[in-house]
Amino acid sequence: SQTIHQWPATLVQPVGSPLSLECTVEGTSNPNLYWYRQAAGRGLQLLFYSVGIGQISSEVPQNLSASRPQDRQFILSSKKLLLSDSGFYLCAWSGVRYEQYFGPGTRLTVT
Amino acid sequence: TQLLEQSPQFLSIQEGENLTVYCNSSSVFSSLQWYRQEPGEGPVLLVTVVTGGEVKKLKRLTFQFGDARKDSSLHITAAQPGDTGLYLCADGSGGSNYKLTFGKGTLLTVNP
Repeated sequence: SQTIHQWPATLVQPVGSPLSLECTVEGTSNPNLYWYRQAAGRGLQLLFYSVGIGQISSEVPQNLSASRPQDRQFILSSKKLLLSDSGFYLCAWSGVRYEQYFGPGTRLTVT
Repeated sequence: TQLLEQSPQFLSIQEGENLTVYCNSSSVFSSLQWYRQEPGEGPVLLVTVVTGGEVKKLKRLTFQFGDARKDSSLHITAAQPGDTGLYLCADGSGGSNYKLTFGKGTLLTVNP
């Protein structure tokens, strides 16, 4: 069966510090991968998606970036965090269908 | 750009009551999904509906898809505290990237 992992689970970082969130998927090959941000427990905002290694599409211009160095690894990064980057970050994967399967999320607080 | 509207935004009910939440789209749904998200966790897929008029049941949950494929409802019978969570609807945008557009959700609280 497929499993998706995210870490860390929680993170508190000062403004201006760098960020690296990691997501890995097990039990499937060549998944589509997605990064979302969720503010105040409401709707999900798609940040990036990837259909293959090294292929990244950005949905929202911002100071975040994403990379996919391996088939089942997806990384969300920032060089300098802003207060507005605080939120709940979710990674998800899908196969050749619309159903998406989410990781447990990372709660980021920028202070 | 497709817009998904969910109503109500918030719903607080007592255990044992029935409820219905709604999801409406500005355009025809491609592939509508319902997810439930518990506090501090990622959303979990409940169901996918693709055919106009389709009805699917998942234990006490009944999902309906409108004939014109622009609206959907989720009905919960005899709600339990374990049903508490954020209910999100989502639609596929088409294409091989399988992106989803999410509504803002209905936050349901079932009080014991």
